[in-house]
Amino acid sequence: DTGVSQDPRHKITKRGQNVTFRCDPISEHNRLYWYRQTLGQGPEFLTYFQNEAQLEKSRLLSDRFSAERPKGSFSTLEIQRTEQGDSAMYLCASSPEVNSNQPQHFGDGTRLSIL
Amino acid sequence: SQQGEEDPQALSIQEGENATMNCSYKTSINNLQWYRQNSGRGLVHLILIRSNEREKHSGRLRVTLDTSKKSSSLLITASRAADTASYFCATDAKDSWGKLQFGAGTQVVVTP
Repeated sequence: DTGVSQDPRHKITKRGQNVTFRCDPISEHNRLYWYRQTLGQGPEFLTYFQNEAQLEKSRLLSDRFSAERPKGSFSTLEIQRTEQGDSAMYLCASSPEVNSNQPQHFGDGTRLSIL
Repeated sequence: SQQGEEDPQALSIQEGENATMNCSYKTSINNLQWYRQNSGRGLVHLILIRSNEREKHSGRLRVTLDTSKKSSSLLITASRAADTASYFCATDAKDSWGKLQFGAGTQVVVTP
C-alpha cells in the first residue's frame, strides 16, 4: 500500500504527558498537512510543510504543539503537557505541488484520548 | 473556523434512492473537493471540481459548482448501504497554499 500512513492509530494518555505522532506521506508528494478533527466536526487545518519547510501554522497550534518534517519525508507532530481539550483525531494528508489542483490524500489518523 | 456549511446535517434514505447534499462557502476558491469518511477512518477523496467548472461526474456521483452563489452540491445516485458515511466539502481558497477548509459534514445513512 503506497498511501499515507499514520502511527499510532490510537493513543491514550494521562493529562500532562507528552505525545508524538508520525505521518509517512505518499513518497513523491511535496506537500504535507496536519489537521485536527473533533467529534461531529470537519477537519481543521493545523499546519503544513512544503518539503522540509513549515510554511504556515494555524492559531489552533498553541506553543505546546510542534511539528517537524526532517529531510522532507515523514513528519512528526508532538503535543507537550497534554490537556483534555487535545482529545481529537489527528489527520495527516499529502499532495503534489502547490497550485496543481490536486486532491489531498489522507491517512487514517491518530485518535488521541486524554484521561 | 470552518468555511463550508453542509446541508442537511443528516440524511437517512433507503437503498436505491438518490442522496443530495449541499455546501456553501464564503471566499474565492481555486477548487472545491468532496470527501467521504467512514466511522473512525480517514477521509477518502471523491471529486475535485475547479472554479472554472460547473459540473463533474464520477460513477454514481455528480457534483455541481455555482461560484456566483458560492455553493456546490453532491448527488449520489442509486445509493447502496456501503455509501453510509459522512460527506464533507472542502474548499481550496485562493492564496491559501492548498490548505483545505472543511464544513461540518453531512451524515448519510443508507438502509437496505
